[in-house]
Amino acid sequence: GAGVSQSPRYKVAKRGQDVALRCDPISGHVSLFWYQQALGQGPEFLTYFQNEAQLDKSGLPSDRFFAERPEGSVSTLKIQRTQQEDSAVYLCASSSPGQGTPEAFFGQGTRLTVV
Amino acid sequence: QKEVEQDPGPLSVPEGAIVSLNCTYSNSAFQYFMWYRQYSRKGPELLMYTYSSGNKEDGRFTAQVDKSSKYISLFIRDSQPSDSATYLCAIYNFNKFYFGSGTKLNVKP
Repeated sequence: GAGVSQSPRYKVAKRGQDVALRCDPISGHVSLFWYQQALGQGPEFLTYFQNEAQLDKSGLPSDRFFAERPEGSVSTLKIQRTQQEDSAVYLCASSSPGQGTPEAFFGQGTRLTVV
Repeated sequence: QKEVEQDPGPLSVPEGAIVSLNCTYSNSAFQYFMWYRQYSRKGPELLMYTYSSGNKEDGRFTAQVDKSSKYISLFIRDSQPSDSATYLCAIYNFNKFYFGSGTKLNVKP
């Protein structure tokens, strides 16, 4: 595709509800990142995939957060039993390490509001 | 200590002004330094990146890295209202991007 696509753009969840956020990276991009951006803050790292392998999940804030990329393309970030502090914009980015630069392309994000 | 710290702003300047945006970072081993621009309700987009130290120029934008003081700067010449956005400095290291908190810039016509 032309860019990184995320869906849904907006999600309102009741506290305790499970949510799933989808990311379609740029075709052929090996690396995929998930970031969390709180209001007025910079993005914070959540997790990193190289193809289907989750190589770094050190930024996931709790065991309620789970990410997968089973076929090395589309990725899903799942949040179980959502809490109000989970309200943020969740950004996905993809890149191609073979191009020799660290340039990552970000999607528009999913804005999650937990009420 | 965070890996990268950024002046929070906000910054308001008249059209045509020179804008200076700044960050400091903690680890002298960092090599890739980036500036992203983020419009409201959009994802960050890469403006430019620098490897190691020195300057890099792209049109009205100049990125500067001073490794001796661990200081990153972005200069915008002849600023335009369309430059109004949040600017994020970032460092790339071992498959992670570390972002500053962002400086919100408003260029007044």
